[in-house]
Amino acid sequence: QKEVEQNSGPLSVPEGAIASLNCTYSDRGSQSFFWYRQYSGKSPELIMFIYSNGDKEDGRFTAQLNKASQYVSLLIRDSQPSDSATYLCAVIGSNSGGGADGLTFGKGTHLIIQP
Amino acid sequence: EPEVTQTPSHQVTQMGQEVILRCVPISNHLYFYWYRQILGQKVEFLVSFYNNEISEKSEIFDDQFSVERPDGSNFTLKIRSTKLEDSAMYFCASSAMGQGADTQYFGPGTRLTVL
Repeated sequence: QKEVEQNSGPLSVPEGAIASLNCTYSDRGSQSFFWYRQYSGKSPELIMFIYSNGDKEDGRFTAQLNKASQYVSLLIRDSQPSDSATYLCAVIGSNSGGGADGLTFGKGTHLIIQP
Repeated sequence: EPEVTQTPSHQVTQMGQEVILRCVPISNHLYFYWYRQILGQKVEFLVSFYNNEISEKSEIFDDQFSVERPDGSNFTLKIRSTKLEDSAMYFCASSAMGQGADTQYFGPGTRLTVL
């Protein structure tokens, strides 16, 4: 059973600060990792994906992957009130055999940016 | 920017009735997915579809569910005999490549309410 775990929050961060969101996964052979943002009542919107150990930066966002620890994180720099949303961690597992691979999602972390 | 579209945005049905949820994936995408999200819970993978057949399905996707690509643009999810517990947001997604990590773009969702 593949599991993706996230702290549900809420995580409250002052505007302009760095927000740090964490995720762990159970399937050691997982290959690909995604962060989605979901506003209330809306669909998931992709922020970033990461495949390799280390950091990947895109604008104000940095994804970090540590496969040995089975840990993925997302840092949001210069947090804005518009960043307030639920952040979903999603994983493609080790038994993906080509073709269309379903994502396994965590429950998400509710982030609140305080003006 | 191309996007996934879904209709209807909200569907209300009586228990035991059949419903069909419709999706138009991004036009050059080859892989199609359905996910559901029960209120307050995580996004769950249902099924993926490629080359006119199911590629992967989850335990949720039982005999009550079916998918079809009836023409070159639409992708549908049918629930044959709805149950109260089928009430959820249903998201369609599509991607250009299936192997490994590729971006799955989500549609806005259909909220299904079973009475």
